[in-house]
Amino acid sequence: AQSVTQLGSHVSVSEGALVLLRCNYSSSVPPYLFWYVQYPNQGLQLLLKYTSAATLVKGINGFEAEFKKSETSFHLTKPSAHMSDAAEYFCAVSVWTGNQFYFGTGTSLTVIP
Amino acid sequence: ETGVTQSPTHLIKTRGQQVTLRCSSQSGHNTVSWYQQALGQGPQFIFQYYREEENGRGNFPPRFSGLQFPNYSSELNVNALELDDSALYLCASSWTGTGTDTQYFGPGTRLTVL
Repeated sequence: AQSVTQLGSHVSVSEGALVLLRCNYSSSVPPYLFWYVQYPNQGLQLLLKYTSAATLVKGINGFEAEFKKSETSFHLTKPSAHMSDAAEYFCAVSVWTGNQFYFGTGTSLTVIP
Repeated sequence: ETGVTQSPTHLIKTRGQQVTLRCSSQSGHNTVSWYQQALGQGPQFIFQYYREEENGRGNFPPRFSGLQFPNYSSELNVNALELDDSALYLCASSWTGTGTDTQYFGPGTRLTVL
C-alpha cells in the first residue's frame, strides 16, 4: 500500500526566507512522487515530479525537491519565499504510470511580509 | 493545447438527488481520473477510466459511477446524494502508455449538498 504523510498542516515563513515543506512516503515498490500547489478555489497545478531519474528535481517557480530513499522523504524547498507562494501544497505518490495518486493532507503555506 | 476543463463550476443539490459532473481531458490524453477533495483534506481517488473502461477504483460506494467517451471526455455520476458528498470534485487527465505520465488537473466542480 502507498501513503503520504505531510508534517505540518500550516507553515509560516517570512518573505525572502527559506521554504521547507515536508513529505514522507510509504511504498512497497519504487515510487513516483509529485508536488502540486493549489491556490484558493482552483485545481491542482504540478510543481515537480520524481520518476526515478535524478534524485534532485527542479520544478517551476524556483521550487525543488530531493528524493531520499533511505529517509523515504521528498521534501519541497525554495530558497527565498515570495508572497505569491502562499497556497496549499500537496505531496502525492503513485507506483506506476497511469495509476491512482495517493495524496497527503496538504500543507498551507503563509508568507509574512 | 487545451487544458482539462470541468463543468459546472458550482452546483447545489439536496439530499437524495442525483448529479452529473463533466470533464474534458487535455488534448492527447487517454486516461481520466476523478478525485473528491473534502474541505481541508487532500484529494481522495474515486476511480479512473482508460479507453472507456474503469481502470481502478478507490473506497467509494457504487452510487459513485462514471463514464468515459470515445473522445476521452468523462462523466462522474453520484446517486442518492448525502450531505458528506459536499466537496470539490477534481478531474485529472493523463497519457497511459510508454514512459511515465503526470496527471493534470482541472479547476474542479464545487458540489454542495443541502
